[in-house]
Amino acid sequence: EVQLVESGGGLIQPGGSLRLSCAASGFTVSNSYMSWVRKAPGKGLEWVSFIYSGGNTYYADSVKGRFTISRDNSKNTLYLQMNSLRAEDTAVYYCARGHYGSGTYSGAFDYWGQGTLVTVSS
Amino acid sequence: DIVMTQTPLSSPVTLGQPASISCRSSQSLVHSDGNTYLSWLQQRPGQPPRLLIYKISNRFSGVPDRFSGSGAGTDFTLKISRVEAEDVGVYYCMQATQFPLTFGGGTKVEIK
Repeated sequence: EVQLVESGGGLIQPGGSLRLSCAASGFTVSNSYMSWVRKAPGKGLEWVSFIYSGGNTYYADSVKGRFTISRDNSKNTLYLQMNSLRAEDTAVYYCARGHYGSGTYSGAFDYWGQGTLVTVSS
Repeated sequence: DIVMTQTPLSSPVTLGQPASISCRSSQSLVHSDGNTYLSWLQQRPGQPPRLLIYKISNRFSGVPDRFSGSGAGTDFTLKISRVEAEDVGVYYCMQATQFPLTFGGGTKVEIK
């Protein structure tokens, strides 16, 4: 069974750093396309970052230069290192797996974790 | 960036009646490989998003057939043929044709 479990969220002061983890089971993170998506209070979903199985990474402009997506193949875990945090980064952060339909990436995300809340406030 | 615009913002529906959500993109979502990477997700209160539809009209595994997707180019629609109580939530369209990936603003489906 595919499962994604995020951890690492919490209350952090502006300018601080956090590392989110997404522990995967039932599939191999290094063979998959993975993404981080966030939902701020009272707002809609916002894409944050993406990593291809080959290792190429992409970021939303709002986090570029501050956030880094990575994975640990030995732990089958996805990470999001978040530096220079701002109040506007306050959100529930979800990790999600890229969906393969008919053997190719469909551009969708089929499994999502429950999310971890990051609150940036002094 | 591709802007995704959803209408309506809110859709009060009577149980058993149909619902329709529109999603319009600021530019064509047809990728150079010929695919259109438009998906629909449902987010129930207190739950993570759930994939309903991928590549415009393909239902994800386990999604009831009362959900259907259609459209092409820049105009897309999600339809629920007969709304059930468990369909309450916010629905999002998402494009993955180009980075940055972008979501529509969401449509809240509620029971009248």
